[in-house]
Amino acid sequence: AQKITQTQPGMFVQEKEAVTLDCTYDTSDPSYGLFWYKQPSSGEMIFLIYQGSYDQQNATEGRYSLNFQKARKSANLVISASQLGDSAMYFCAMRELFTPYSGAGSYQLTFGKGTKLSVIP
Amino acid sequence: DVKVTQSSRYLVKRTGEKVFLECVQDMDHENMFWYRQDPGLGLRLIYFSYDVKMKEKGDIPEGYSVSREKKERFSLILESASTNQTSMYLCASTRDSKLTYEQYFGPGTRLTVT
Repeated sequence: AQKITQTQPGMFVQEKEAVTLDCTYDTSDPSYGLFWYKQPSSGEMIFLIYQGSYDQQNATEGRYSLNFQKARKSANLVISASQLGDSAMYFCAMRELFTPYSGAGSYQLTFGKGTKLSVIP
Repeated sequence: DVKVTQSSRYLVKRTGEKVFLECVQDMDHENMFWYRQDPGLGLRLIYFSYDVKMKEKGDIPEGYSVSREKKERFSLILESASTNQTSMYLCASTRDSKLTYEQYFGPGTRLTVT
C-alpha cells in the first residue's frame, strides 16, 4: 500500500521568498511517480510537477522544483520567488508505474492531506 | 486543452434524496475517477472506471454507486444522501497509458446534505 505524508498543515512565506513544502512517501513498488497539485480557493486541482522514481534529475517547471531524495523517500516541492497568487492548498500524490496489473487501479493516485500555503505581502 | 466538467459547482440536497453528480471529459480518456475531499483528510478515492460499464471500488465506496454508459461521462450516485456525505466531490480523468501521468480534474461540486 502507498502512503503520502505531508506534515505541515499550514505554512507562511513572505512574497518573493522561496518556500519548501514537505512530502514523504512510503511504497513497496519499485517504480512509481510523484506529483504535486495546487488547489486555489476556487477548488480546481492544478497539476504542477511530476517526478518519476527512475528519473536521474530533479524535476523543474518554471518556479517549481521537486527536491527528490529517493533514499529518504522524500519529494519536497520548492517554490521560488513566491507570489500572492501562490496562496493555495498544495497536495503531494503518488501512483505506481509499469506494473503487470493493467487495470485502472494502477493509475490511482494516493494523496497526502495537503499543506495550506499563505503568501504574505 | 483537456477539459473535465462537472454538472454543478454547488448543490444542496435533503437527507434521503437520491443525488446524481455528473462528470464529462472531452479528451477521450479511458480512465475516470471520483474523489471526495474533506478538510484535513485530503482526497480519497470513491470509485474509478477504466472503460465503459466497467468500475472498481476505491477506498471509500460505501453509500455511493457509479455509472459509465458512455466513455466521456462518469456519474456518481448517492442512493440515499446522508449528512455525512456533505463534502467536496472532484472528478478526474487520465489516458490509459503508462507514459501519461497526470490526472486532469474538474472544478468540483460542493455538496451539502441537510
